[in-house]
Amino acid sequence: GAGVSQTPSNKVTEKGKYVELRCDPISGHTALYWYRQSLGQGPEFLIYFQGTGAADDSGLPNDRFFAVRPEGSVSTLKIQRTERGDSAVYLCASSPEFAGHEQFFGPGTRLTVL
Amino acid sequence: AQTVTQSQPEMSVQEAETVTLSCTYDTSENNYYLFWYKQPPSRQMILVIRQEAYKQQNATENRFSVNFQKAAKSFSLKISDSQLGDTAMYFCAFMNAGNQFYFGTGTSLTVIP
Repeated sequence: GAGVSQTPSNKVTEKGKYVELRCDPISGHTALYWYRQSLGQGPEFLIYFQGTGAADDSGLPNDRFFAVRPEGSVSTLKIQRTERGDSAVYLCASSPEFAGHEQFFGPGTRLTVL
Repeated sequence: AQTVTQSQPEMSVQEAETVTLSCTYDTSENNYYLFWYKQPPSRQMILVIRQEAYKQQNATENRFSVNFQKAAKSFSLKISDSQLGDTAMYFCAFMNAGNQFYFGTGTSLTVIP
């Protein structure tokens, strides 16, 4: 079946602009995670959804970052007033509901803020 | 908060040889899960192996096995009969009972022909 998909694969924007990054999880997966991965680093947790609600958003760095998952499937990560330091690969992963299951990752979106 | 430490930023191994990647973690929880993920240059993270903390038996998946030492909070990955396709970044990850994931900084493995 289809895996996790993310669009766009690459996004270049200018400092101060607004961007949206989309994640389509595996069908039926209720858990969805967003991560940020800087060069040479491991993925850094941003936010975790269980269904439509954000179960844990403690990883969001500041109030410029926001994510939604209105119907419990597709999720959008929104970044306002982008800064050069936001440049990174943004990874999305989904997982079945039960605890301890592996996460299935998408290919990521590489965001570059000029 | 949990932390995951991978102390080997880079490693190399001759094709067909065995290599071990180290990982330690810090937690006060008793129920958790540990994972090794592989990230090739294509960027897609792929699960290599998974271990439940309540299981004493070390997980094995074909050429990949782990040495899980719960008391020492150590979770190393052994790759036997290394193949060129094993060249990638390897990340150790910890998942707690609240489904929060923590990743290490990764080990870049190069398999030399």
